[in-house]
Amino acid sequence: GAVVSQHPSRVICKSGTSVKIECRSLDFQATTMFWYRQFPKQSLMLMATSNEGSKATYEQGVEKDKFLINHASLTLSTLTVTSAHPEDSSFYICSARDQGQLRSGANVLTFGAGSRLTVL
Amino acid sequence: GEDVEQSLFLSVREGDSSVINCTYTDSSSTYLYWYKQEPGAGLQLLTYIFSNMDMKQDQRLTVLLNKKDKHLSLRIADTQTGDSAIYFCAESRYGNKLVFGAGTILRVKS
Repeated sequence: GAVVSQHPSRVICKSGTSVKIECRSLDFQATTMFWYRQFPKQSLMLMATSNEGSKATYEQGVEKDKFLINHASLTLSTLTVTSAHPEDSSFYICSARDQGQLRSGANVLTFGAGSRLTVL
Repeated sequence: GEDVEQSLFLSVREGDSSVINCTYTDSSSTYLYWYKQEPGAGLQLLTYIFSNMDMKQDQRLTVLLNKKDKHLSLRIADTQTGDSAIYFCAESRYGNKLVFGAGTILRVKS
């Protein structure tokens, strides 16, 4: 089945530094990937839609200059948290849609295992 | 997730059935989904149902959809300790976005 790899799974950084999180679709091509943020014991909040070869579409209230998204290939999207602060500490999850699933009509997303960011 | 609502917690005994409920608001949603999240992990798709269906069964999982009431449920038969996790329902919105509920913590007691 479709597999999405997310790296790193855990990262600790100092306040003011930048952190890059990678999301790769391992056995399928994904023109669209999604980035979510999950706070403890809460639901997933969609941050942005990452589009291969074009700019990401950010949800309302998400700072695009702080959360930089690059989708340079059909199998890789990256999220960079710039000038991280302790309030950016969270669990970030990416997902990708297998193009092969589109034919069935169902918007089946495969999720990565998530990246836990802790900003000191 | 505020437009998709779920009860926060469910506790059942091993071997019993679990029923997790969800209500959604967008009547134009074409698909509804159930995802499972184990501690510290990503989300695993359990099943999904097309909006013109009332029921879908997949082994121990049964999904019931009441489109009129915008109510979705997930029944897990013969619940096992390995089923302990957080279960999210989600609806598919315009632009193929998924909107998730807050999740239901399922605790299975042996």
